[in-house]
Amino acid sequence: SAVISQKPSRDICQRGTSLTIQCQVDSQVTMMFWYRQQPGQSLTLIATANQGSEATYESGFVIDKFPISRPNLTFSTLTVSNMSPEDSSIYLCSVVSSSGPGETQYFGPGTRLLVL
Amino acid sequence: DAKTTQPNSMESNEEEPVHLPCNHSTISGTDYIHWYRQLPSQGPEYVIHGLTSNVNNRMASLAIAEDRKSSTLILHRATLRDAAVYYCITHAGGTSYGKLTFGQGTILTVHP
Repeated sequence: SAVISQKPSRDICQRGTSLTIQCQVDSQVTMMFWYRQQPGQSLTLIATANQGSEATYESGFVIDKFPISRPNLTFSTLTVSNMSPEDSSIYLCSVVSSSGPGETQYFGPGTRLLVL
Repeated sequence: DAKTTQPNSMESNEEEPVHLPCNHSTISGTDYIHWYRQLPSQGPEYVIHGLTSNVNNRMASLAIAEDRKSSTLILHRATLRDAAVYYCITHAGGTSYGKLTFGQGTILTVHP
């Protein structure tokens, strides 16, 4: 299995500021993803974090708002830029690991963000 | 990924079996059926997945209808720790793996 940690676990931020969320995996993984879970809602995929190249964003999400880095096979960051209260959500990192049963997907504990 | 339909909520008593249904009538022949669950204040957790045959693991069983248009997640003996939101997801796998489309899921309440 893959163990994922995220920093920070939670934060309260002022509108107009930016927050960078870190995701660390305990093993090398090919695929890393960032999801968002708005209050009372289900999860929505933001983007695929590609190692050595630009992230691939899903419809409705853009690089200027959610820049992503992936410098190696165990680490990625997601920045939430120029935040507004609508960005208040849980942000989750996810990886696909072949070390589990088949191609199992694992999720981090999430970063709970509140924007005032 | 095919759209899935699940009941909004279900209740069970501790130590009793729980059958969580999912309809996926537009599933394609190569889509896998995945189940994840999300415990309170945690990220989703893999439960089980299958293609055509019924599957068993230490957490649960997955019963897949012969026409694959529906499936049922079976928790053989519910515990309080099984209270969670259960998501049924169909997924093609391959290069699109990791790009899961989550519905609203079923909120399972387990009573002592």
